[in-house]
Amino acid sequence: SQQGEEDPQALSIQEGENATMNCSYKTSINNLQWYRQNSGRGLVHLILIRSNEREKHSGRLRVTLDTSKKSSSLLITASRAADTASYFCATDARNTPLVFGKGTRLSVIA
Amino acid sequence: KAGVTQTPRYLIKTRGQQVTLSCSPISGHRSVSWYQQTPGQGLQFLFEYFSETQRNKGNFPGRFSGRQFSNSRSEMNVSTLELGDSALYLCASSLPPAQPETQYFGPGTRLLVL
Repeated sequence: SQQGEEDPQALSIQEGENATMNCSYKTSINNLQWYRQNSGRGLVHLILIRSNEREKHSGRLRVTLDTSKKSSSLLITASRAADTASYFCATDARNTPLVFGKGTRLSVIA
Repeated sequence: KAGVTQTPRYLIKTRGQQVTLSCSPISGHRSVSWYQQTPGQGLQFLFEYFSETQRNKGNFPGRFSGRQFSNSRSEMNVSTLELGDSALYLCASSLPPAQPETQYFGPGTRLLVL
């Protein structure tokens, strides 16, 4: 079974609004990463947060990690139509491959 | 640097045939991972190669195999294709042993099995 589970499965918002996606996982991790995938294409790495970090920012992205709840959230502020994509969380532990969730499909309506 | 490239981009095969997909990693990257992506199962890990050795393997039948060459290029092979093998196959390269490893993905090969 997959490690990460994103919530919600789909999200539709207006341009300019903020989008929040959540990821829950089951076992201890070293790091958690977020990736974006535009329709039917490869994934692009967005941001990585280590297990000893609680929050990280990159441009309009803000990621939080709560290891006690085994959950993470990705916030995209001031969303744009170009942010329309699927977003995946991926977890890793030492010497194990990345395990991806099923993703959240974000639609940003202009 | 050029990104990860995958060939072919699209492929149509019939049940029972076999297929070989190719992946060229980013220059200097020595690890290549393969994933299968389907609407129902999401992204599932197939295998990872590092320095021509399989380092990890996912839970797929033996019909799925792979290899890596001395120049880090990788191929995966699926024999006796089944309808359920229709998927987007993604290759990703990374630069171990740096931890954590960020994966750099190619555009994928979309395989349709009829």
